Amino acid sequence: GDSVTQMEGPVTLSEEAFLTINCTYTATGYPSLFWYVQYPGEGLQLLLKATKADDKGSNKGFEATYRKETTSFHLEKGSVQVSDSAVYFCALSNNTNAGKSTFGDGTTLTVKP
Amino acid sequence: DVKVTQSSRYLVKRTGEKVFLECVQDMDHENMFWYRQDPGLGLRLIYFSYDVKMKEKGDIPEGYSVSREKKERFSLILESASTNQTSMYLCASSWPLSNQPQHFGDGTRLSIL
Repeated sequence: GDSVTQMEGPVTLSEEAFLTINCTYTATGYPSLFWYVQYPGEGLQLLLKATKADDKGSNKGFEATYRKETTSFHLEKGSVQVSDSAVYFCALSNNTNAGKSTFGDGTTLTVKP
Repeated sequence: DVKVTQSSRYLVKRTGEKVFLECVQDMDHENMFWYRQDPGLGLRLIYFSYDVKMKEKGDIPEGYSVSREKKERFSLILESASTNQTSMYLCASSWPLSNQPQHFGDGTRLSIL
């Protein structure tokens, strides 16, 4: 079946540091890929997505590129802020799965001033 | 903007009680989901509904049931609450397309005493 493997956390960075959170996936066919963010006390919200190979999703300074050859969708940000402290989830959705998604376990990011 | 509303942010119930968690979405989405989120275990799908009165078991359906009498409302029922059902419960909705994200409510933190 489909699966998503995320970089284990927690990750702690200083403000303005470069962020990478690794995500790799296993899936049949051509899934769509997503990053969600969960701020403390809230539900998940979509951060960015990519629906085909070589697409780059971007939002709020975050980027991720859909790499089919390495089955990866790594999340990056050039300069993190304290307000980026949250839990980040990588996910995929496949045509074969009736609209359900497969989520990674989440990576907790803490940014210190 | 899509709005997914969960009826309670915090709920405290006693062992053996029948507990109802309600979720309403305002985007006419076909798909609705119930997840539970526990530290170190990520998101686990309890039940999935792809239309009114249609449902499918997720990964951990034991001890839960669901009801979807109207398209906008999806209820999670704990038939006889137990302490191991203390958790954060998240509701989500989406279009039945793999390239569309899920939209989450803010969650219900349920404590069973």
